Amino acid sequence: DVKVTQSSRYLVKRTGEKVFLECVQDMDHENMFWYRQDPGLGLRLIYFSYDVKMKEKGDIPEGYSVSREKKERFSLILESASTNQTSMYLCASGATGAYNSPLHFGNGTRLTVT
Amino acid sequence: GDSVTQMEGPVTLSEEAFLTINCTYTATGYPSLFWYVQYPGEGLQLLLKATKADDKGSNKGFEATYRKETTSFHLEKGSVQVSDSAVYFCALSDRNQAGTALIFGKGTTLSVSS
Repeated sequence: DVKVTQSSRYLVKRTGEKVFLECVQDMDHENMFWYRQDPGLGLRLIYFSYDVKMKEKGDIPEGYSVSREKKERFSLILESASTNQTSMYLCASGATGAYNSPLHFGNGTRLTVT
Repeated sequence: GDSVTQMEGPVTLSEEAFLTINCTYTATGYPSLFWYVQYPGEGLQLLLKATKADDKGSNKGFEATYRKETTSFHLEKGSVQVSDSAVYFCALSDRNQAGTALIFGKGTTLSVSS
C-alpha cells in the first residue's frame, strides 16, 4: 500500500516562528500536494509539485512556501507563522495523470499558532 | 474555473437508513469524478471514482453514477452503518488540464446512530 507520512501529528508554534511541515511518500509518485482543511471550507490547495525542484502555486499560497529537493519528500514552510494559519494540513501524492489516478493522503498535521 | 458543490451537512441518520449525498460540478473539460472519505482522526482515502459519463463507481456498498447531462455525481448507500460515520468529499480532476490537482467540495459530515 502507498504510504504518505507526515512528520508531526500535532504542532504548537508561536506567532512569527518559521515552521516546517514534512511529508514523505514511498511509492515513487511524481506529484505531491499540500492542502489545508478548515471547517466549512473543505480542502484548499496551497502548493503542488510535479517534479523535483518544481513547484506551482495553488489557490491559497500566500504566507507559505515549499521545497522539493528529493522525489519522495515535499516540505511546506510557513515563513512567519500567524494565528490565521492555525489549521489541519494534509499532504498527498499521486501518479502522473491525476485525472485518472487517485491521490493518497497522509493523516494530517494539526497546527496551532498561538 | 472548475468547482464542486456538495450538500451541506451534517447528515444524521439511523442505522440501516438510505443515504444520498448530492454533488454537482462545473468543469470546462472532461473531468474524472471521485468520492473520498475521511474517518475521524485520519486522512482522506478514496472511496470510489468514475472517469467518463454514465460510469458507475462502487465500493463498500456505496455507489455514484457520473451524469453528464445533470453534471452530478451523487453518493448513495442503501443501508448505512454506524461505521460509515465520517466526512465525505466529492472531487473532480479535469482531463484537459493535465496535472491539475483535485478540486474538492466542502465536505459533508455523516453521523449514523444505532
